[in-house]
Amino acid sequence: GQQLNQSPQSMFIQEGEDVSMNCTSSSIFNTWLWYKQDPGEGPVLLIALYKAGELTSNGRLTAQFGITRKDSFLNISASIPSDVGIYFCAGQQNKNSGGSNYKLTFGKGTLLTVNP
Amino acid sequence: NAGVMQNPRHLVRRRGQEARLRCSPMKGHSHVYWYRQLPEEGLKFMVYLQKENIIDESGMPKERFSAEFPKEGPSILRIQQVVRGDSAAYFCASSRNLQNEQYFGPGTRLTVT
Repeated sequence: GQQLNQSPQSMFIQEGEDVSMNCTSSSIFNTWLWYKQDPGEGPVLLIALYKAGELTSNGRLTAQFGITRKDSFLNISASIPSDVGIYFCAGQQNKNSGGSNYKLTFGKGTLLTVNP
Repeated sequence: NAGVMQNPRHLVRRRGQEARLRCSPMKGHSHVYWYRQLPEEGLKFMVYLQKENIIDESGMPKERFSAEFPKEGPSILRIQQVVRGDSAAYFCASSRNLQNEQYFGPGTRLTVT
């Protein structure tokens, strides 16, 4: 099946630092989504991207849909302790790309630890 | 709270028993998706349902697993004769339609002893 390669696997940063993580694939995706998961909870949608080259912000978070449609990155600026958690990228392919319009393919996640 | 509801949050079953996981989608959402998450892994798609219809069950094991989304009531993911390898977190998501984002519930953590 499709795979998303997410990196880094984990990050340890100091409060106030900026963070960047990314997701790559050998296949084209038509939608990229970024989720955050806290321990014992479900993923919470942070940002959704629908067009190649799109750059979208949500507060201190900024995500971009790569121009090749095979990658995306997420930046977090001025990190705070509550940013701790696992960040997942997820992609959707439409039928023209051999996908289904609804099935999400997830990366393995980036574990973020923020030291106060 | 109008979010996706799942229950139970934690479920312990002995090998050979049945597990029933329930999911109530967000208000106004008629599309339900089930995903499974193994430790330190991303979520993996299992099945997509609309009211009274299974649209895509390609990610669900063909034996022992079944899902339904009846006209009334929550969606149910049923696992018969559970084995240790079924231990995982099971997440339900819902969307208003195919073009909209999927919103996830808090999950059911299944432990098979």
